Amino acid sequence: NAGVTQTPKFQVLKTGQSMTLQCAQDMNHNSMYWYRQDPGMGLRLIYYSASEGTTDKGEVPNGYNVSRLNKREFSLRLESAAPSQTSVYFCASVPRLNNEQFFGPGTRLTVL
Amino acid sequence: AQSVTQLGSHVSVSEGALVLLRCNYSSSVPPYLFWYVQYPNQGLQLLLKYTTGATLVKGINGFEAEFKKSETSFHLTKPSAHMSDAAEYFCAVSLNACNNRKLIWGLGTSLAVNP
Repeated sequence: NAGVTQTPKFQVLKTGQSMTLQCAQDMNHNSMYWYRQDPGMGLRLIYYSASEGTTDKGEVPNGYNVSRLNKREFSLRLESAAPSQTSVYFCASVPRLNNEQFFGPGTRLTVL
Repeated sequence: AQSVTQLGSHVSVSEGALVLLRCNYSSSVPPYLFWYVQYPNQGLQLLLKYTTGATLVKGINGFEAEFKKSETSFHLTKPSAHMSDAAEYFCAVSLNACNNRKLIWGLGTSLAVNP
């Protein structure tokens, strides 16, 4: 099993550009999450999906949209990137009966 | 509101010395407690977790943590630090095991191990 995969690993955008961060898991997990990690601020939840077909806002959803395409895939879209969205983005998934979160390797995004 | 506090954003120890990373939480209900480790330029991985039962929990790489309800603490320890332990460590709390698997995260503690 590959676990949780994220693409791309690195991305540089200009202000106003859009992009989609992809996340996929092959562990048949129900819940999936998107976080951003910034120095000194720990992990902040952007959006999560408790199950296929449902999504909910986390602490910092502004400027982002998500799609739970199927059970495996959960994408994060930046419609109009801003320098404040420069961050490392992590996707995580959780099995049905367990709160343990399994993380992907992250996407480092820089917005100029 | 529930919260997680990690005392000390940076901890430095000598190789072979005791590692102690502190985590306190606020919760009105019995929590599930986690420690995650993040090595440089990698994602987070689970170090250990407490759900129910024995309050002393052993994890990977020789780490352990003890859930102390009276102190609302879940401190992480390792008797003898190794250079490879240098990483960022995150404490997290989950308050609802069944319907909501969101975690509340501490801000992290960066552990440096000196030769």
